[in-house]
Amino acid sequence: DAGVTQSPTHLIKTRGQQVTLRCSPKSGHDTVSWYQQALGQGPQFIFQYYEEEERQRGNFPDRFSGHQFPNYSSELNVNALLLGDSALYLCASSLGSRGGTEAFFGQGTRLTVV
Amino acid sequence: DQQVKQNSPSLSVQEGRISILNCDYTNSMFDYFLWYKKYPAEGPTFLISISSIKDKNEDGRFTVFLNKSAKHLSLHIVPSQPGDSAVYFCAANNAGKSTFGDGTTLTVKP
Repeated sequence: DAGVTQSPTHLIKTRGQQVTLRCSPKSGHDTVSWYQQALGQGPQFIFQYYEEEERQRGNFPDRFSGHQFPNYSSELNVNALLLGDSALYLCASSLGSRGGTEAFFGQGTRLTVV
Repeated sequence: DQQVKQNSPSLSVQEGRISILNCDYTNSMFDYFLWYKKYPAEGPTFLISISSIKDKNEDGRFTVFLNKSAKHLSLHIVPSQPGDSAVYFCAANNAGKSTFGDGTTLTVKP
């Protein structure tokens, strides 16, 4: 079982550019959540995808968007990058969208905006 | 407005002793609470959880206590081992959305 895999592991982008991060959930999981973790802080919930739809959204601007594919994998897109978007982006998969079960996290994508 | 708070950024404990990590929350709608452990360069790993209808859950050396009236939960690790040294995050769920605290760095000294 490969667990949750994210790509790429590191990325450097220029302010104003767009970026796409990818996530493959743990086998058997149907729900993917994305988090942003700034240095010294806990993960901040961006949104959750279940059945190819965004089910829950945190307090992030519309520049952050996502997608879930029929195979449950997911993408996180960030447009018009700002320096403040530099962070570790974590993907977590779980079974079902209602919570009550633990999430399995990937190792994250470290995004640096310069 | 931080809904989940871990007020101790760090904790140092001697090997073999008890580690107690604390977490406070403000939203009474949270229905599930979890603890995650994170090593450097890795994603958080699930440790233990508790439903809001319970007040204690135990798994080996790890026990989580929930005090709903005080909106407080704690993680007890007994006995602590050097391999337990990591950042511990408390998380609270509501309708599938998880809110995390900022973490407590636990150091277990041999």
